[in-house]
Amino acid sequence: QSVLTQPPSVSGAPGQRVTISCTGSSSNIGAGFDVHWYHHLPGAAPKLLIYGNINRPSGVPDRFSGSKSDTSASLAITGLQAEDEADYYCQSYDRSLSGWVFGGGTKVTVL
Amino acid sequence: EVQLVESGGGLVQPGGSLRLSCAASGFTFTNYWMHWVRQAPGKGLVWVSRINYDGSSRNYADSVKGRFIISRDNAKNTLYLQMSSLRGEDTAVYYCVRDSTPFNWGQGTLVTVSS
Repeated sequence: QSVLTQPPSVSGAPGQRVTISCTGSSSNIGAGFDVHWYHHLPGAAPKLLIYGNINRPSGVPDRFSGSKSDTSASLAITGLQAEDEADYYCQSYDRSLSGWVFGGGTKVTVL
Repeated sequence: EVQLVESGGGLVQPGGSLRLSCAASGFTFTNYWMHWVRQAPGKGLVWVSRINYDGSSRNYADSVKGRFIISRDNAKNTLYLQMSSLRGEDTAVYYCVRDSTPFNWGQGTLVTVSS
């Protein structure tokens, strides 16, 4: 199982707001390591949505926002659009594993 | 423009070996840690290994420790993953990733372990 825990799926109607949680532990998120979020479509390379917990790379709409607290982080998508249907992954660093850790991925469905 | 191009994937029998390559361009390769990440069919992203600037520090996921070796040739701007004793569960798309935001990823190369 994944070191970081995400819900397998979330869904919402167009225009609604959805959130994806990412729960870790004291050896990764809780240790102060940054959380990053990716958007991933089959056959494509993962695309960075949020880095350093709250920052958006250039070109990412402000409909996407990140937050972090204690051993968890969240990705919020507001004004949900059909094009937002994809898999979303959180990523951090784990000091016990001396490497990256990912969540299991969350499939976002636009109803 | 940063580019990472993986190659070397293919079909290999269980117990076999394969070497993946990742050709980097558009940035000063020697300035960055590099990673390999994989995704098995229908599964999520899983970190495999990382290497520091000059190859003097390497880390591996427990699932590949002792079977995979990460290396780099800074003169050729190329990252490698030597995989041996391959198992069915190693079947995946393998991505190389630059360790610096925006975490540039290659398009991946598919490794299939099957008899």
